[in-house]
Amino acid sequence: KAGVTQTPRYLIKTRGQQVTLSCSPISGHRSVSWYQQTPGQGLQFLFEYFSETQRNKGNFPGRFSGRQFSNSRSEMNVSTLELGDSALYLCASSLGLRPPFFGPGTRLTVL
Amino acid sequence: GENVEQHPSTLSVQEGDSAVIKCTYSDSASNYFPWYKQELGKRPQLIIDIRSNVGEKKDQRIAVTLNKTAKHFSLHITETQPEDSAVYFCAAPLKSSGNTGKLIFGQGTTLQVKP
Repeated sequence: KAGVTQTPRYLIKTRGQQVTLSCSPISGHRSVSWYQQTPGQGLQFLFEYFSETQRNKGNFPGRFSGRQFSNSRSEMNVSTLELGDSALYLCASSLGLRPPFFGPGTRLTVL
Repeated sequence: GENVEQHPSTLSVQEGDSAVIKCTYSDSASNYFPWYKQELGKRPQLIIDIRSNVGEKKDQRIAVTLNKTAKHFSLHITETQPEDSAVYFCAAPLKSSGNTGKLIFGQGTTLQVKP
């Protein structure tokens, strides 16, 4: 099976702009979660989607949003970008109660 | 609150020695505990996980132990090799209060295996 894929892999934006990141889960996986990874804060949970519904949300401002489509693909959006949003954004998919598998991530740099 | 503490933050061992990384979790409802290995510039890779109803699990040179009473779980790597050098993360799902699938990660342990 193909693994979790994410696009784009790298992104450079300026403050105030918005960005949309895309994730395709492993075939058959209906749960998709998003994490932000930074050197200072480590891996932090953003949100989780299951069957097109947000099932969990982390402690991030409302500028961070996401959605899931009927084919389980997911997108996350960050509006009004800030310098502190620079990070590696990781998508992960899981099946049932199994631990999630991560995609390669999107490296976002905000200038 | 939701918390996973991981120690040590860095660990340096000689090739062939064993390495042990320890984590403590706070949510007593957590029902599985995965470990991830992240090499520089790569994705976190699931290397092993243990269910809450099991005390120990082994996979070749890797083993994980769980003490539910103390809310501790540990990763043991035996006969370490240079390719084991990476950052290792423990995690626990937040199961209480209706949450599902939300993983709380430890801060990571940078393991260096010296040839």
